[in-house]
Amino acid sequence: TQLLEQSPQFLSIQEGENLTVYCNSSSVFSSLQWYRQEPGEGPVLLVTVVTGGEVKKLKRLTFQFGDARKDSSLHITAAQTGDTGLYLCAGVKYYYGGSQGNLIFGKGTKLSVKP
Amino acid sequence: DAGVTQSPTHLIKTRGQQVTLRCSPKSGHDTVSWYQQALGQGPQFIFQYYEEEERQRGNFPDRFSGHQFPNYSSELNVNALLLGDSALYLCASSPGLAGGGDTQYFGPGTRLTVL
Repeated sequence: TQLLEQSPQFLSIQEGENLTVYCNSSSVFSSLQWYRQEPGEGPVLLVTVVTGGEVKKLKRLTFQFGDARKDSSLHITAAQTGDTGLYLCAGVKYYYGGSQGNLIFGKGTKLSVKP
Repeated sequence: DAGVTQSPTHLIKTRGQQVTLRCSPKSGHDTVSWYQQALGQGPQFIFQYYEEEERQRGNFPDRFSGHQFPNYSSELNVNALLLGDSALYLCASSPGLAGGGDTQYFGPGTRLTVL
């Protein structure tokens, strides 16, 4: 069974602080995605990382894929109240026969940014 | 361009009943996946449909079944409902391998409560 472990599970910080969320697995994934989900809504894709060691930036968010493609991190600089939400990492694995891979999600990190 | 739509938004059923949830994929997408998200958890993959066939299945009992129609829309059926089936059911569509298939776009979900 492939599991994605996210840490921390909960994070409460003040506006302006920096934070890092981690996503770890013993399995190798073809790619890894980060999503943000707000209450009562579906997850919204933030980024996909594909290459080991890859770093992607999305404004104040920096995503990194581990060299072995088993782990990833999300770093937020100068957090804002609008960053509040559930952050999910999801690994993608392909199956034989050309079928597109399903997503394997971690449990998520619930971030609360206070003014 | 409409995104992924799901109906109904909320549903309340009693144990033993059957339920059907519906999903219309994003325009141009031919692959539909269903996920179950229990409270405080990340989404768990149920199954995926492509070309009107179930292509992949997660670790869910046969009480969970689905269907995909020629217009790519999909239904999720759950029989003999249990209390533990209470969750947010998410539908995600993707353009398939030819269209860069790793990106799945999620609908807002159907909140199912089983009493």
